[in-house]
Amino acid sequence: GAVVSQHPSWVICKSGTSVKIECRSLDFQATTMFWYRQFPKQSLMLMATSNEGSKATYEQGVEKDKFLINHASLTLSTLTVTSAHPEDSSFYICSAREVSGRAYEQYFGPGTRLTVT
Amino acid sequence: GQNIDQPTEMTATEGAIVQINCTYQTSGFNGLFWYQQHAGEAPTFLSYNVLDGLEEKGRFSSFLSRSKGYSYLLLKELQMKDSASYLCAVMDSNYQLIWGAGTKLIIKP
Repeated sequence: GAVVSQHPSWVICKSGTSVKIECRSLDFQATTMFWYRQFPKQSLMLMATSNEGSKATYEQGVEKDKFLINHASLTLSTLTVTSAHPEDSSFYICSAREVSGRAYEQYFGPGTRLTVT
Repeated sequence: GQNIDQPTEMTATEGAIVQINCTYQTSGFNGLFWYQQHAGEAPTFLSYNVLDGLEEKGRFSSFLSRSKGYSYLLLKELQMKDSASYLCAVMDSNYQLIWGAGTKLIIKP
């Protein structure tokens, strides 16, 4: 089956620094990747949708200058949390949709737990 | 607006059967998904329904009624490892997933 990896799986950073999270589709090509954030005991919240080679589409309320998304290839998307603050501490999950797959097939990465101190 | 409703928490006994309901109101419909999420982990796919009726997959079954905007996930022969959150999500007309808040299922011995 299709596999999506994320790196790192967890990260601790100091307030004011930037953190980059990678999302890779390992055995398929993904035209579209999605970035989610999940706070404890809450459901997934879509942050942005990124299409390979074009600018990401951000959901309302998500600061595009703070959460930089780059989808440079069909197998890699990155999320950079800039000038991180403690309130950015969360579980970040990406998912990827296959190029030739049916519209509904999305595969999730294992998630990255970010803690900002 | 778009809305997905499911119970916040349910408790069931090991070996029993539990049904988790989900109602939805979305702009367009391109299928309904159920995901299982253990604490601290990403969601894993359980089922996908786009036509009315029951889809059975081992101990898990999922039902859909599009006219009623209603689905349920049925878990049989419950095991302790089934303790998790179960997320209902609907794909809207733009092929975006609209997520419910999730149902935390607690299994007791």
